Amino acid sequence: GIQVEQSPPDLILQEGANSTLRCNFSDSVNNLQWFHQNPWGQLINLFYIPSGTKQNGRLSATTVATERYSLLYISSSQTTDSGVYFCAVIWGGATNKLIFGTGTLLAVQP
Amino acid sequence: EPEVTQTPSHQVTQMGQEVILRCVPISNHLYFYWYRQILGQKVEFLVSFYNNEISEKSEIFDDQFSVERPDGSNFTLKIRSTKLEDSAMYFCASSRGFNYGYTFGSGTRLTVV
Repeated sequence: GIQVEQSPPDLILQEGANSTLRCNFSDSVNNLQWFHQNPWGQLINLFYIPSGTKQNGRLSATTVATERYSLLYISSSQTTDSGVYFCAVIWGGATNKLIFGTGTLLAVQP
Repeated sequence: EPEVTQTPSHQVTQMGQEVILRCVPISNHLYFYWYRQILGQKVEFLVSFYNNEISEKSEIFDDQFSVERPDGSNFTLKIRSTKLEDSAMYFCASSRGFNYGYTFGSGTRLTVV
């Protein structure tokens, strides 16, 4: 099956710093989403981004489908950005199940 | 923004008991899903549901699990005889289709004791 690997696995930032999270996938995908899992366990949809670049406030994402990776940029990080960031993909034509990556645990310190 | 609603937010149950987790997907969505996340682990697919039937299920989704859409709005996951290892966060999600994003609910944290 498809492998979805995220890096780094853990990241500690000072408030105000910028960061880049990476998602690599081992095969072509039809859909890619980025989620933030907050400390209460809720999965918050950040971006639906099978290709191209999108921005939403301090967050932006870029997916280069032909090279099988996606990047999530967080600028001017805040303590509320802490949590786990997951990318998730839909792989293949006969399925629409999302396959989640390994996650990046982000801690933003004041 | 439309939401997927899950109830209850927390449930504690005795081993061997049946539990039903409830979800109200977004009203114009056609595809419905259940996922689970054991503490500290990845989010895992359980089952997808479309046109009133299961369209795909994982190896985790054995005979102890069932799903139902009893009316036009609710989508339920039943675990017939809970085991300790069923303790996890269970997420419901819905989508409009293959080329649209998923929306997840806030989850039900199930603890089996």
